[in-house]
Amino acid sequence: KNEVEQSPQNLTAQEGEFITINCSYSVGISALHWLQQHPGGGIVSLFMLSSGKKKHGRLIATINIQEKHSSLHITASHPRDSAVYICAVGRDNTDKLIFGTGTRLQVFP
Amino acid sequence: AAGVIQSPRHLIKEKRETATLKCYPIPRHDTVYWYQQGPGQDPQFLISFYEKMQSDKGSIPDRFSAQQFSDYHSELNMSSLELGDSALYFCASGVDRVYGYTFGSGTRLTVV
Repeated sequence: KNEVEQSPQNLTAQEGEFITINCSYSVGISALHWLQQHPGGGIVSLFMLSSGKKKHGRLIATINIQEKHSSLHITASHPRDSAVYICAVGRDNTDKLIFGTGTRLQVFP
Repeated sequence: AAGVIQSPRHLIKEKRETATLKCYPIPRHDTVYWYQQGPGQDPQFLISFYEKMQSDKGSIPDRFSAQQFSDYHSELNMSSLELGDSALYFCASGVDRVYGYTFGSGTRLTVV
């Protein structure tokens, strides 16, 4: 069993839909990261969370430390949101991130 | 705003050759992380440096070495390249894990 699991693996949506991507982890963490990777590879850091909720534009990320679960929400989705969204956790007392397998999102006009 | 700069963006090498990848972190970031992402795979942690000292080590082959220099840039040296080393190599920088990571655009290494 992977230490970080995401669901769904693939997601398609129509423009304007509300999107939720889920992440569950099984290890103690210092922080959880949501990343976006576009075709061609570049990774962009969207959020780093250790508790509660963060919002940036149309993106919202929440984390429940007790349940070891985080969600990434995209409101009013747009085709340019199409990308792979990756959940990664930083484990207690280490530098490395452990990556989830990613959720491939396609938003159609 | 300055971002994490990686060079080169693309690199093609033959088997058994040597490659050097460079990473220039965001100014005042004291930590550099290297990740390797094979085709269709998750990024895997290789190694990290904090204040020019190695701080953590992941699944980095013995053929690879890395260091962080006095100006905080980092270099990943890869020798005796194998076909399986073909991957996207990411560098990320941060401030002692506190404020999150900023990733570079990656260096795509192809070994032929």
